[in-house]
Amino acid sequence: GAVVSQHPSRVICKSGTSVKIECRSLDFQATTMFWYRQFPKQSLMLMATSNEGSKATYEQGVEKDKFLINHASLTLSTLTVTSAHPEDSSFYICSGVRDRDETQYFGPGTRLLVL
Amino acid sequence: GDSVTQMEGPVTLSEEAFLTINCTYTATGYPSLFWYVQYPGEGLQLLLKATKADDKGSNKGFEATYRKETTSFHLEKGSVQVSDSAVYFCALSDHWSSASKIIFGSGTRLSIRP
Repeated sequence: GAVVSQHPSRVICKSGTSVKIECRSLDFQATTMFWYRQFPKQSLMLMATSNEGSKATYEQGVEKDKFLINHASLTLSTLTVTSAHPEDSSFYICSGVRDRDETQYFGPGTRLLVL
Repeated sequence: GDSVTQMEGPVTLSEEAFLTINCTYTATGYPSLFWYVQYPGEGLQLLLKATKADDKGSNKGFEATYRKETTSFHLEKGSVQVSDSAVYFCALSDHWSSASKIIFGSGTRLSIRP
């Protein structure tokens, strides 16, 4: 199967600090990766589409300077939450598209808690 | 814009019971429809999909039929097992595969009692 990992799985930070979340496709190359955010008992909401070697495309209402996305290789994308605040506390999920079958494979998610 | 609405959970059933999780959608075009499942501690996995009206997706005993007239894609299984306990998400995409943007429903938590 196609496996996507995320690190860390859980992180607690102080307000005002920055947090980096990694998303890796372990056994396939992903030209395209997606970042989602999920609030309790709510849908996954797409934050941005990340293409290897180019700038991410952000959804309406998502601050690109707040949520920095880097996709420097075909197996790694990172999401950095800059100057995190309690309202940024959420569950962040990434996915990678395997070119062979044009299917998104999802990571297990990262729970962020900002105190 | 496009959206997906699915029944709220949690849903609790006994083993071997019949399962239905309702899902309806709103879309301007002709979307592809999906059901994803998330087991505890794991990432979302594609359970089944249908790419055009009247298509039936099926996998692991689960089925869902793309009903354009009622804009629905209800998930069914004739006899659930304890191992089916998970969160189920209905979703749509404007691409035939899941390679592009996916819009998800809010998820339905399913618990199966032995």
